[in-house]
Amino acid sequence: DTGVSQDPRHKITKRGQNVTFRCDPISEHNRLYWYRQTLGQGPEFLTYFQNEAQLEKSRLLSDRFSAERPKGSFSTLEIQRTEQGDSAMYLCASSSYGSSGGVETQYFGPGTRLLVL
Amino acid sequence: DAKTTQPNSMESNEEEPVHLPCNHSTISGTDYIHWYRQLPSQGPEYVIHGLTSNVNNRMASLAIAEDRKSSTLILHRATLRDAAVYYCILRGGGTSGSRLTFGEGTQLTVNP
Repeated sequence: DTGVSQDPRHKITKRGQNVTFRCDPISEHNRLYWYRQTLGQGPEFLTYFQNEAQLEKSRLLSDRFSAERPKGSFSTLEIQRTEQGDSAMYLCASSSYGSSGGVETQYFGPGTRLLVL
Repeated sequence: DAKTTQPNSMESNEEEPVHLPCNHSTISGTDYIHWYRQLPSQGPEYVIHGLTSNVNNRMASLAIAEDRKSSTLILHRATLRDAAVYYCILRGGGTSGSRLTFGEGTQLTVNP
């Protein structure tokens, strides 16, 4: 089963350091989403790509956050100058949009848990 | 996205049916009702979706009120593996809609 994979699964870093997470979507899925989830809350949307184009960014995505999907396959999410408030689970999801005309279903990866000390 | 209201928590016994309610009084005519669930330490998982008619799949059934202002996710025989947070989400259908807007969901506990 080649579902959505994320790497690393866990990351501990010190405040002020930069971190980068990777997401590999399901093969041939053209949409890729990033969400953030803090303890006890539902996931919150950050941004999404259709192929390599970043189509929407949430207000939650501050200037310290940047996401890329250079070849329309895997994606990276970088957080610069991490803060303790960035501690959360970062979830990636992918979907096949427009392929069959049906309702889009998002498939989530296991997430990357970030702890900023 | 229109707002949904769910109970914070529910409890069930193993092998009994579970009815998880969701209120969405401000639903628009084109909004689909989606349900996702999140097992401990995992990403959310799609369960089912519907527009107007009741829907069944291998995981669950979705019963939608005639006025579409509420819906119920039905697990016919709960197992311990069904213990999760269940999210009811409204989303524009067809070629519209992108992000999923999650609330806090319902934490389902299944007792052996």
